[in-house]
Amino acid sequence: KQEVTQIPAALSVPEGENLVLNCSFTDSAIYNLQWFRQDPGKGLTSLLLIQSSQREQTSGRLNASLDKSSGRSTLYIAASQPGDSATYLCAVVMDSSYKLIFGSGTRLLVRP
Amino acid sequence: GAVVSQHPSWVICKSGTSVKIECRSLDFQATTMFWYRQFPKQSLMLMATSNEGSKATYEQGVEKDKFLINHASLTLSTLTVTSAHPEDSSFYICSAWEGRSTDTQYFGPGTRLTVL
Repeated sequence: KQEVTQIPAALSVPEGENLVLNCSFTDSAIYNLQWFRQDPGKGLTSLLLIQSSQREQTSGRLNASLDKSSGRSTLYIAASQPGDSATYLCAVVMDSSYKLIFGSGTRLLVRP
Repeated sequence: GAVVSQHPSWVICKSGTSVKIECRSLDFQATTMFWYRQFPKQSLMLMATSNEGSKATYEQGVEKDKFLINHASLTLSTLTVTSAHPEDSSFYICSAWEGRSTDTQYFGPGTRLTVL
């Protein structure tokens, strides 16, 4: 059974700092991996999607990498801003059913 | 971008009543919709997968007679929590997937259910 773990559970950094969020999964036979952002009491916003054949994806200040063989993904946020404060969730899809298996999330606070 | 709406955004009900939550894809047709539940400070757990015109597929441990899902059209899926109890209080989120040209699911804003 696939398990997705995110470390750290919470992170507080000063504005402007570069940071890395980690995601690990136990079954490397994934279809794709996705990173989402969730603001308190809100739904999810898709940030980046990495296909199983890809190594990384970039969008603006965000860069996500995927090492399928070791069961790891990282989300790199450059020059963090207070508006980046949210919970970041990673999720994997195992097959064409497109069911998402979520990690428990990292709560990020960027202090002004 | 693709927009998914949910209604209501929050609901408070008495124990024993039934509550219906709607999930709509506003500017695309969703072959598949997913329903998730999120307890406080926990991650999202998939409850069921809903395909238009067919019966929903429920995840292990989810009672299909308690959580009724209907996907009557390509833009609307409904989740009905029957005979709700306080332990059903949670944040319910749907997502919609077009099913062809993209792997991306689009999420609704969620519905906060509180059962007294």
